[in-house]
Amino acid sequence: DVKVTQSSRYLVKRTGEKVFLECVQDMDHENMFWYRQDPGLGLRLIYFSYDVKMKEKGDIPEGYSVSREKKERFSLILESASTNQTSMYLCASATARNEQFFGPGTRLTVL
Amino acid sequence: GENVEQHPSTLSVQEGDSAVIKCTYSDSASNYFPWYKQELGKRPQLIIDIRSNVGEKKDQRIAVTLNKTAKHFSLHITETQPEDSAVYFCAASKNTGGFKTIFGAGTRLFVKA
Repeated sequence: DVKVTQSSRYLVKRTGEKVFLECVQDMDHENMFWYRQDPGLGLRLIYFSYDVKMKEKGDIPEGYSVSREKKERFSLILESASTNQTSMYLCASATARNEQFFGPGTRLTVL
Repeated sequence: GENVEQHPSTLSVQEGDSAVIKCTYSDSASNYFPWYKQELGKRPQLIIDIRSNVGEKKDQRIAVTLNKTAKHFSLHITETQPEDSAVYFCAASKNTGGFKTIFGAGTRLFVKA
């Protein structure tokens, strides 16, 4: 059974803080993703990675960066958090056929 | 840019009726079309998918159809039950080294008992 975990379920940060969101999967998947979910907008792709140290921009990468130093871990970094980054952040890990398994999500509030 | 449009945004049906959700995509290079179900407070879960070499796929009460010419795909749920109530997301994906995946905005389905 695939397990995708995220470091926090809820997070409150202040404007300008550096924020790290971590995602870990235990299925040796090469593909991992970061999305943000906002009401009425669905899931929007921020970044994805298909191998260690490899990353690709999604549709909304501005204000975010990522790190993939180990295969099982994909981190999302907000260099200087802003209030418009308040959202639900979902990580996913995918099989070689792109069947994606999601983590439980991190609800981030930036004050 | 690439996008996926999903309709309707809200759908209410009577238990036992059918529900249909439609999506259109813009990127003709897309070749994989999954559907995810997200129950309240839970993570999205894959319920069915279809690849570009297939026109239709069925799994018990759910089916998906794909029209590549029209860049259109649909989810059909028959004999709906209250536990089908959830938000459903369609997505379109292509292999660019990794799998760039674009989701629709979602359809909130209510099944009334």
